[in-house]
Amino acid sequence: KQEVTQIPAALSVPEGENLVLNCSFTDSAIYNLQWFRQDPGKGLTSLLLIQSSQREQTSGRLNASLDKSSGRSTLYIAASQPGDSATYLCAVCNQAGTALIFGKGTTLSVSS
Amino acid sequence: NAGVMQNPRHLVRRRGQEARLRCSPMKGHSHVYWYRQLPEEGLKFMVYLQKENIIDESGMPKERFSAEFPKEGPSILRIQQVVRGDSAAYFCASSPGLAGNEQFFGPGTRLTVL
Repeated sequence: KQEVTQIPAALSVPEGENLVLNCSFTDSAIYNLQWFRQDPGKGLTSLLLIQSSQREQTSGRLNASLDKSSGRSTLYIAASQPGDSATYLCAVCNQAGTALIFGKGTTLSVSS
Repeated sequence: NAGVMQNPRHLVRRRGQEARLRCSPMKGHSHVYWYRQLPEEGLKFMVYLQKENIIDESGMPKERFSAEFPKEGPSILRIQQVVRGDSAAYFCASSPGLAGNEQFFGPGTRLTVL
C-alpha cells in the first residue's frame, strides 16, 4: 500500500529565505507526482506536476525534483515571501492513473 | 475558463439525513475525482468517474456512499443517513483526457453533521 510522508510537518522562516520541503513515498510504481498549495479553508492549487519519466519541473520561484527509484521528491522555494504561507501537499498518482495518494502536508509560515 | 465548481460550499445536516454534493468539472474535462479531508487528516481518494462510468471506487465506504457522473449535468456524491463521522471537507477534481493527467481541484464542500 502506497504511503506518502512529508517532512517537516511545519516550518517557519523569515522572508527571503530559500527553503526545501521533502516528500517520500514507499512504492516507486507511480504515474506522476503533483505538488499542491492549500490555503486555510480553501481548495487546492496545483503548483507542479512531474511525470514519472521526468527528473524535475520549474515554475517561477518553485522547483520540484523527483527521484523515483529512491521514492523522494523535493519542492524548492526560492526567496520566500509572506504570501507563500500555506500548507504544501505532495501527492503521487497510482500506476493506474486513477487516484492521488496525499501526504499530510507541510505548513509553511513566512514572516516579514 | 471557469474552474471546477462545487456546491454547496457549506452544508449542514442532522444525523440520518441525506447529503448531496455537486461538482461541475472544468470545461472540456471528462474525468472527475472525489476526495475527502477529515479533520486533522490528509486528503483521501474516494472515487474516480468518467461520464456515465465509475472507473475506480476503491476508496468509497461500502455503505451509504454513492457517486454518479451522468451524461448531462454535474457529478453527484450522495451520502445517505449521515453520521457525525461524515463531517469533513469533500473535494472534487477534474482532468481532461486520459487517466493520470494533472488534476484541478474545486473549492470543496464542507459538510457538518449535527
